Amino acid sequence: GAGVSQSPRYKVAKRGQDVALRCDPISGHVSLFWYQQALGQGPEFLTYFQNEAQLDKSGLPSDRFFAERPEGSVSTLKIQRTQQEDSAVYLCASFRGRNYNSPLHFGNGTRLTVT
Amino acid sequence: RKEVEQDPGPFNVPEGATVAFNCTYSNSASQSFFWYRQDCRKEPKLLMSVYSSGNEDGRFTAQLNRASQYISLLIRDSKLSDSATYLCVPAGAGSYQLTFGKGTKLSVIP
Repeated sequence: GAGVSQSPRYKVAKRGQDVALRCDPISGHVSLFWYQQALGQGPEFLTYFQNEAQLDKSGLPSDRFFAERPEGSVSTLKIQRTQQEDSAVYLCASFRGRNYNSPLHFGNGTRLTVT
Repeated sequence: RKEVEQDPGPFNVPEGATVAFNCTYSNSASQSFFWYRQDCRKEPKLLMSVYSSGNEDGRFTAQLNRASQYISLLIRDSKLSDSATYLCVPAGAGSYQLTFGKGTKLSVIP
């Protein structure tokens, strides 16, 4: 497709389960981000990839969160031993370059609910 | 001081009204600024980029005051379709870092 694609669209997990969220960025986009958005808040930065390199993971809230982009295209955000506070929308975004000379394109997000 | 602070909202305005949102940012090194629009349960989408003192795009005007570290968004002749949350987003100097504000919710009422 032409846009950023995320799957699944919705995910319900029981506390303690592991989840994996997938992001397909726009083809050829070098930069890829993951954001976490809680209800009523703006997106909060989690991590940034430039091609396959994870250049910044300072926003990951704990070591239960792990992200990868092994071939510089598709990315996966994994959350181990989910907790209720992990409930949020997880947004993936990509853009063509390495800094903001082109628009940031968001996927429609994965809504995670931990029960 | 928070990195990005926006008017708390919500703003409820009648169709045709002019409405302005304010945003202050703490990182004086920020070089680029953006306004994103986010509809309910949708992803954010770029509304405007602001690179110098400001720019205009149809009914939308963004202004930047670097000395005061302040950005504003003005919407003239509000339409029902303008109802959304508007996110203020400064970008770090020469880098990838974007910091999103919490957003200001606008409801345009018939």
